[in-house]
Amino acid sequence: GESVGLHLPTLSVQEGDNSIINCAYSNSASDYFIWYKQESGKGPQFIIDIRSNMDKRQGQRVTVLLNKTVKHLSLQIAATQPGDSAVYFCAENRRRGGATNKLIFGTGTLLAVQP
Amino acid sequence: GAVVSQHPSWVICKSGTSVKIECRSLDFQATTMFWYRQFPKQSLMLMATSNEGSKATYEQGVEKDKFLINHASLTLSTLTVTSAHPEDSSFYICSAHSPSGRAGNEQFFGPGTRLTVL
Repeated sequence: GESVGLHLPTLSVQEGDNSIINCAYSNSASDYFIWYKQESGKGPQFIIDIRSNMDKRQGQRVTVLLNKTVKHLSLQIAATQPGDSAVYFCAENRRRGGATNKLIFGTGTLLAVQP
Repeated sequence: GAVVSQHPSWVICKSGTSVKIECRSLDFQATTMFWYRQFPKQSLMLMATSNEGSKATYEQGVEKDKFLINHASLTLSTLTVTSAHPEDSSFYICSAHSPSGRAGNEQFFGPGTRLTVL
């Protein structure tokens, strides 16, 4: 099926360090991207989003960078905490003409925070 | 606001039986809901888009006669897995679209339903 690819399936970081999770997307026409956090046995939780007319957006401890030239997206988490341990997915908002847009999810990165 | 619930949260059934999963938007109306399937350590794969009052749109490779979707009201969509087999065991997640959400495109996700077919 369709998917947005990720470079690193597992990322292990020390508590307090910064984390960077990367994602490559395939459709240059996509205009909106979202990062989700998913804890074990739960649904995805919205973290941050970015429109294609931006290249950077900051939230609380998180920053998303978008490079449309190479179709690359990254999520930066500052001062990573044990509670940040989860699987992180990027999602690409895919237009479908007159129908509601659909999300194409990346393969996911497991972030493991070591105390 | 924008809470989506699923029921049941987990279900175990025998092979050959049918299972119904409900997805409800609790505090907003959703003309469109989505159903995803997620196998262990894998990503979410869109199964179908459910539109209130009309037939669902299924993704390529998803059998519409096996995964029956009904979206009879603006707050409820159901997914019925018919004649379930062990390979249907998965985590099923729904989302509800709110046009008033972020960027006009936000999907609010439910907590998921764990289906185990024996």
